[in-house]
Amino acid sequence: DADVTQTPRNRITKTGKRIMLECSQTKGHDRMYWYRQDPGLGLRLIYYSFDVKDINKGEISDGYSVSRQAQAKFSLSLESAIPNQTALYFCATSGQAGDEQYFGPGTRLTVT
Amino acid sequence: GENVEQHPSTLSVQEGDSAVIKCTYSDSASNYFPWYKQELGKGPQLIIDIRSNVGEKKDQRIAVTLNKTAKHFSLHITETQPEDSAVYFCAAGGGADGLTFGKGTHLIIQP
Repeated sequence: DADVTQTPRNRITKTGKRIMLECSQTKGHDRMYWYRQDPGLGLRLIYYSFDVKDINKGEISDGYSVSRQAQAKFSLSLESAIPNQTALYFCATSGQAGDEQYFGPGTRLTVT
Repeated sequence: GENVEQHPSTLSVQEGDSAVIKCTYSDSASNYFPWYKQELGKGPQLIIDIRSNVGEKKDQRIAVTLNKTAKHFSLHITETQPEDSAVYFCAAGGGADGLTFGKGTHLIIQP
């Protein structure tokens, strides 16, 4: 079984709808991250969490919110989706700040 | 914050030749420099990393070099094979803010 899983893998939604992307990990890591990937722009950090009680904004947090329900679960929400949020979204985990990040398979989100 | 520049954005090489991808970073406090490979439809996967107390690291056909003074690091792939075709990302960081990624290099191995 995969160490980092994301659901759904693909989602098409309409402008204005609320949507939640979920991430679960079995690696026992404290640190979890949400990234957005757009063609030619690489991976940009949306939010990150160092433990259940610690949530931090990343480079592009506007329009997004997160919830760390447990050590193993970190969800990303779009309260009112807009077309320029169409992208590939990745969740990642790591044990420590200077450690390897393990990525999930990604969620392809399309906002029409 | 950290800023990472990666070049080239696309690299096409003949199978068997070498490929080199270069990155520069801005924050002298960064001490961890990983390289990730992303295949189509998958998440990025670590292929090699280097820390600031080391100048070079090699793993079979893949090597990474780091020049702390110039703030740049490079990925070298020798004897390229078709399965090396992918998007490669460099990253810099290691502090409390995690990693900052480059924009990626699409490596194409021509048969």
